[in-house]
Amino acid sequence: AQSVTQPDIHITVSEGASLELRCNYSYGATPYLFWYVQSPGQGLQLLLKYFSGDTLVQGIKGFEAEFKRSQSSFNLRKPSVHWSDAAEYFCAVAARGSQGNLIFGKGTKLSVKP
Amino acid sequence: EADIYQTPRYLVIGTGKKITLECSQTMGHDKMYWYQQDPGMELHLIHYSYGVNSTEKGDLSSESTVSRIRTEHFPLTLESARPSHTSQYLCASSEGGPYNEQFFGPGTRLTVL
Repeated sequence: AQSVTQPDIHITVSEGASLELRCNYSYGATPYLFWYVQSPGQGLQLLLKYFSGDTLVQGIKGFEAEFKRSQSSFNLRKPSVHWSDAAEYFCAVAARGSQGNLIFGKGTKLSVKP
Repeated sequence: EADIYQTPRYLVIGTGKKITLECSQTMGHDKMYWYQQDPGMELHLIHYSYGVNSTEKGDLSSESTVSRIRTEHFPLTLESARPSHTSQYLCASSEGGPYNEQFFGPGTRLTVL
């Protein structure tokens, strides 16, 4: 069965520091890969997605993610974190050929200190 | 403005009550979803719909039911609420296919006493 692992439950970084959030998936073939962000009291918003092609994908708000097939990973990065980036981040996968139902990781909560 | 709405945002209710959580979208999306989200846990899909008169159960078993009589509306009903139903419920919609973005509503936080 497909699964998504986000090994870091909570990360704290200083404003202006770089950020990397980890995501590993378990699936026989390369799935569609997504990162969503959830601010407190709000729904999820798509940051970026990977389907094929260039393994480094750019998203909104200055985020990027790199797909590494050999490591079954899709880590999210940002070179310089802003206080407004404090939120919960979810990695998700959808099986190719499926109807698009997403499997989510448990999320990583990001805190930003001044 | 195209959007997805959920009401109520917060609901505190006693055991045994019937409740309906509302979800509406103005984007004309065929596919709609209900997720259950507990703190520190992943979102679990409990229901989805491909279009009008189509409903399917998701990966997580739920005592709730859904209906899809209109494209834009996908309400979730609990006939008899229990404390174990306390959770956050998120509604989403998308165009068909696994590669399309899902748009999420703000969620309903349900507490059953």
